[in-house]
Amino acid sequence: QVLLVQSEAEVKMPGASVRVSCKASGYIFTTYGISWVRQAPGQGLSWMGWINTENGDTNYAQILQGRVTMARDTSTGTAYMELRSLRSDDTAVYYCARRLIYDSSIGRAFDVWGQGTMVTVSS
Amino acid sequence: DIQMTQSPSSLSASVGDRVTITCRASQIITNYLNWYQQKPGKAPELLIYATSRLQSGVPSRFSGSGSGTDFTLTISSLQPEDYATYYCQQSYSTPRTFGQGTKVEIE
Repeated sequence: QVLLVQSEAEVKMPGASVRVSCKASGYIFTTYGISWVRQAPGQGLSWMGWINTENGDTNYAQILQGRVTMARDTSTGTAYMELRSLRSDDTAVYYCARRLIYDSSIGRAFDVWGQGTMVTVSS
Repeated sequence: DIQMTQSPSSLSASVGDRVTITCRASQIITNYLNWYQQKPGKAPELLIYATSRLQSGVPSRFSGSGSGTDFTLTISSLQPEDYATYYCQQSYSTPRTFGQGTKVEIE
């Protein structure tokens, strides 16, 4: 069974950093990229970026450039997302999702999702 | 960035109804359009990718169509487990962008 299991909820002060983990199982970790998507309370979905789990290359949403880092540990099959200089509007559920490649061109979709990690930023 | 606009934002329907949700992209995305279903407190789930290809395990009452900038998700006969929020998402370019969601509620 293909699973992505994320770390537990976090509460952080403004200005702090948070790291969320996403452990994959049931497939070969390096054959699929991992994307990160967040969802503020009562709001829609917002793509944060993705990491190529094979070579570590990353592509971040411009709006988060300079504050976000995505990494992976191939020995444990775990992806990580770190967000720095947290603000109240970073309060959200953070999801990791497996990046499905469905054609040889640019066809991509998110076919397996983690359960989500709630990050609350509050003083 | 490509803007994705869904309509309606919410709808009420009864079990057995045919339901249609529309998604419009701000520029041509050919057929690089995916649909997700999200139930309260749960992660989204992939329903349809590449406009019309049903993800494994998804019931055949779900279907997708469209091309270019205009796309449609159709539920042929709404079931109790289909009450959820539906999101379209383009995979034509980064940043990947989602529609604002369509909440399907019980009438």
